[in-house]
Amino acid sequence: GAVVSQHPSWVICKSGTSVKIECRSLDFQATTMFWYRQFPKQSLMLMATSNEGSKATYEQGVEKDKFLINHASLTLSTLTVTSAHPEDSSFYICSLDRGKGVGTEAFFGQGTRLTVV
Amino acid sequence: AQSVAQPEDQVNVAEGNPLTVKCTYSVSGNPYLFWYVQYPNRGLQFLLKYITGDNLVKGSYGFEAEFNKSQTSFHLKKPSALVSDSALYFCAVGQGTGSARQLTFGSGTQLTVLP
Repeated sequence: GAVVSQHPSWVICKSGTSVKIECRSLDFQATTMFWYRQFPKQSLMLMATSNEGSKATYEQGVEKDKFLINHASLTLSTLTVTSAHPEDSSFYICSLDRGKGVGTEAFFGQGTRLTVV
Repeated sequence: AQSVAQPEDQVNVAEGNPLTVKCTYSVSGNPYLFWYVQYPNRGLQFLLKYITGDNLVKGSYGFEAEFNKSQTSFHLKKPSALVSDSALYFCAVGQGTGSARQLTFGSGTQLTVLP
């Protein structure tokens, strides 16, 4: 069954508004979740690492104030795209791992297609 | 630094024929290698992984991959392709504790199986 639930699957918003994307761990407590961005026909680019109860760790070049991450519980991380612009349109995917040691595969949410008009 | 190369953007194969999706990697130390599949507007689904042991790894949906250390390759294979296998395939390499933070993805290969 599904391990990770991401919501919404798609969203269209007006330029200048904010959009929140949720990522839920369904069957275990995830202290760490990851947010990726994927442009059409391109690979996944890690944006940030979401840590429960502490600040997220952002990858170089990712604007912290633009992409707000909150990991308030062991089962929920949220990504808020603030003051969205058309260039923020993309596919956003969250993932987590069970933390069971070396080589554990990651589990991914179904992704969110964001379109800013 | 670790890296992954998927030299083919697109692979076309007829249904029933064998398929191969290529992947080469570069990493210091022992690699942990993964294959994921992505259907349109969906997240990635895990197919298989190589951590240690037998070089031939069997995974979901009849897929397998062969780890070749000398050629630093981890090609994905399937003996008989199905139309439903058409999707985007990603190879990934990881090190360390295996957290997704340390995964590096290839650029992806679009597989199209023709009926």
